[in-house]
Amino acid sequence: GQNIDQPTEMTATEGAIVQINCTYQTSGFNGLFWYQQHAGEAPTFLSYNVLDGLEEKGRFSSFLSRSKGYSYLLLKELQMKDSASYLCAVRDLDTDKLIFGTGTRLQVFP
Amino acid sequence: ETGVTQSPTHLIKTRGQQVTLRCSSQSGHNTVSWYQQALGQGPQFIFQYYREEENGRGNFPPRFSGLQFPNYSSELNVNALELDDSALYLCASSLSGGRSTDTQYFGPGTRLTVL
Repeated sequence: GQNIDQPTEMTATEGAIVQINCTYQTSGFNGLFWYQQHAGEAPTFLSYNVLDGLEEKGRFSSFLSRSKGYSYLLLKELQMKDSASYLCAVRDLDTDKLIFGTGTRLQVFP
Repeated sequence: ETGVTQSPTHLIKTRGQQVTLRCSSQSGHNTVSWYQQALGQGPQFIFQYYREEENGRGNFPPRFSGLQFPNYSSELNVNALELDDSALYLCASSLSGGRSTDTQYFGPGTRLTVL
């Protein structure tokens, strides 16, 4: 079967660091994506991991461990505009379709 | 801006009606995927089109159908609408080479309400 788990909600303070975890179980794996989605808007691409390790892109970093079926998205120097849902998605090896988790709603407070 | 556009932005239909949603892919992209996103949920894969052929389908009934045109624009058709079809419908375009696909870039979505 295919299953993606991530926390439903998280809160953090402006300027802080937050880590959003994602665990997955899929029959075939061809990469993991993180998307940001503001309320009522389309998901926007943040990061892509296919090999184990850390990918850094500005204030955002994403980590992958394929053996553990685990990824996290790290957001540094949080800003109010980072308040959004963060979607973890795994790409299926056979079909190339993206399998999404339900998303983590992050609220950043001043 | 991802270069992916969708129309219409919002749509209200009644149960039993049919609807057509449209998507224009990012320039140079030959693959389009359609997703349904219910409120508070992640997007659910409906199907994918590659070079005008269906290239994978999720767990959606046959009343959900699609088309991809030579210019790589796409349509999602839903027949016999049900109340549970109310959702945000997203299309995403990507560039495929063989079995490997690049990152999917999403359009702004069409909000469908079925009354």
